[in-house]
Formats: sequence, C-alpha cells, structure tokens
Amino acid sequence: QVQLVQSGAEVKKPGASVKVSCKASGYTFTSYGISWVRQAPGQGLEWMGWISAYNGNTNYAQKLQGRVTMTTDTSTSTAYMELRSLRSDDTAVYYCAREITGTEYVFDYWGQGTLVTVSS
Amino acid sequence: SSELTQDPAVSVALGQTVRITCQGDSLRSYYASWYQQKPGQAPVLVIYGKNNRPSGIPDRFSGSSSGNTASLTITGAQAEDEADYYCNSRDSSGNHLEGVFGGGTKLTVL
Repeated sequence: QVQLVQSGAEVKKPGASVKVSCKASGYTFTSYGISWVRQAPGQGLEWMGWISAYNGNTNYAQKLQGRVTMTTDTSTSTAYMELRSLRSDDTAVYYCAREITGTEYVFDYWGQGTLVTVSS
Repeated sequence: SSELTQDPAVSVALGQTVRITCQGDSLRSYYASWYQQKPGQAPVLVIYGKNNRPSGIPDRFSGSSSGNTASLTITGAQAEDEADYYCNSRDSSGNHLEGVFGGGTKLTVL
C-alpha cells in the first residue's frame, strides 16, 4: 500500500533552518510529483511547492521563494523540504502529499505531518 | 495570487443533504478538488476532477461546478462526515503556476 512517512517533530529558533523528510513506499517513486502543504495551528492549508520525483523540477509558492528548497533522493524514495530563516509564523504542521499523475494539485496520499515549532 | 473562498461553517441534520461551496476566478478554468480533514489527522481526498471519487470514498460525496463556483455535496450526511472541508485548485492569476486552497468549511452534523 502507498505510504508517505515523515520525519519527527522539530523545535527551532528564529533564523534557523529545518529539513523535513518524506519517505515513500508502495509505488514507483519517480512516477509521481510531491507537493508540500503546511497548516499553522488552527488555520487552513497552504500550498508551499512541488517537486517532480522524475527529474527534480520544482515550482515554489511565490511567498516562499528564496527560503524553501525541495529535493528528492531517488535511491531511497525520499523527498525533502528545507525551509530557511525561520520565523514564528512558520510554526505549522508540514505535510508531504503525492500528486495524481496527469492532474495538477490533486493529492491522493498524504504523509502524517511533521510539527515544526519556531520559538526563541 | 488567486483566492478560493469558502463559508467558514455549515451545519446539516443527520441524514440530510448539504452543499459546501468554493468560489474563485480560477474555477472558471480549472476543476476544484475537495479534501476532508478531521482533528489531528492529515487531509483525505474525497472528490477531484469533474466528479471523481477515490477508491474508498462513499458515493454520498459528489462534486459539481458552475461558473466560478465549485460545490461538494453530501447526500445523506452521516455523523462521521463532521470535519473540515477544503477545496483546492490551480491559481490562474499571473504567470506563476501555484496551487491554492480555500480557507476551509467546518461541517457540523446535528
């Protein structure tokens, strides 16, 4: 069965960086794109960006350009999201989600979420 | 960037039909997808495309679209349908391709 398993919770200080991993199993990793979506406490969902696991092409949300980098390691079927220059309003649960092939921004499987807390 | 607007809260009596709407300019060109999220859980895809349900989603969930409005209809709402519902689509404004989510609708089943 398809699974996306994310790394554990993180606590970071303002200005630091965080890197969250998302290990995929149960499907051909390079046949699908992965998006990252975050959710601040008590708030809605926010799309952060997308990476093709096939060729590494990326597309980031404009508001995060310059602070976010998404990568993949096809040898381990793992996607990564790094966010730099963390601020308190980056505190959120971060999800990876698989995009249905042939669609745009339709996510059929999600990771369990990783809580990132930014606090001094 | 483009916005998708949802009513913050909707309620429905057990067994009745409820429609949750999502408005935005991008919906004139692109379909919305719908996600159900229960407290402490990751979102679950319930409807995508014209009116497609992933495997395992009950057929009481259906989707439709007209003009700039997409709708998720639950016919015969059950207690387990109480959750937050989010629409999403492609942002059609500007030259930069982005995904966008609505603000979410909290569905209460009475």
